[in-house]
Amino acid sequence: DIQMTQSPSTLSASVGDRVTITCRASQSISSWLAWYQQKPGKAPKLLIYKTSSLESGVPSSFSGSGSGTEFTLTISSLQPDDFATYYCQQYHSHPLTFGGGTKVEIK
Amino acid sequence: QLQLQESGPGLVKPSETLSLTCTVSGGSISSSTYYWGWIRQPPGKGLEWIGSINYSGSTYYNPSLKSRVTISVDTSKNQFSMRLSSVTAADTAVYYCARPYSGSYAYDYWGQGTLVTVSS
Repeated sequence: DIQMTQSPSTLSASVGDRVTITCRASQSISSWLAWYQQKPGKAPKLLIYKTSSLESGVPSSFSGSGSGTEFTLTISSLQPDDFATYYCQQYHSHPLTFGGGTKVEIK
Repeated sequence: QLQLQESGPGLVKPSETLSLTCTVSGGSISSSTYYWGWIRQPPGKGLEWIGSINYSGSTYYNPSLKSRVTISVDTSKNQFSMRLSSVTAADTAVYYCARPYSGSYAYDYWGQGTLVTVSS
């Protein structure tokens, strides 16, 4: 199985901050990486697929980059609606695996 | 607009079988490009992929659950289902059904999720 490791597990930030979350794969996954946002009591929401492709309707303040084993999700200017938990997911091979999550909290 | 809805018992006894169904509306489950998935999330924890199925019944399972899980599809009802046998308290979770982006396994449509508690 491909292990996905996210860091940090918790991040405290203020509105307007630039935020970066890292996801590392235990082996190369090419560009087959997705990012999700999840709010309490809600299903995950797809933000980015194939490392850097923005899902329709997602603000352009979100961006993704990376390849191989190291990937990042960047929020260029944190908004109140962005406080949530973020997960990465690899879909290079089965079993599909998720990172442990990064909770973005209000500082 | 595609919608997915999970249904099934909210409480299952230890050692019994958990059965859930996902009903798809606003689109056909018979498209050849999708592997419809089940994902779960224990309370306060992260996401775990359970398995996927396509319209013809071809499946992928998480090896960690493979001996206990069966996923099936009923195209006539536009539904797919999951059965997890010999459940324990560790199987208590919110269970989601989801559809991935065409030709990929990044999930762009999700059900609202259903909490299944394993307890006597």
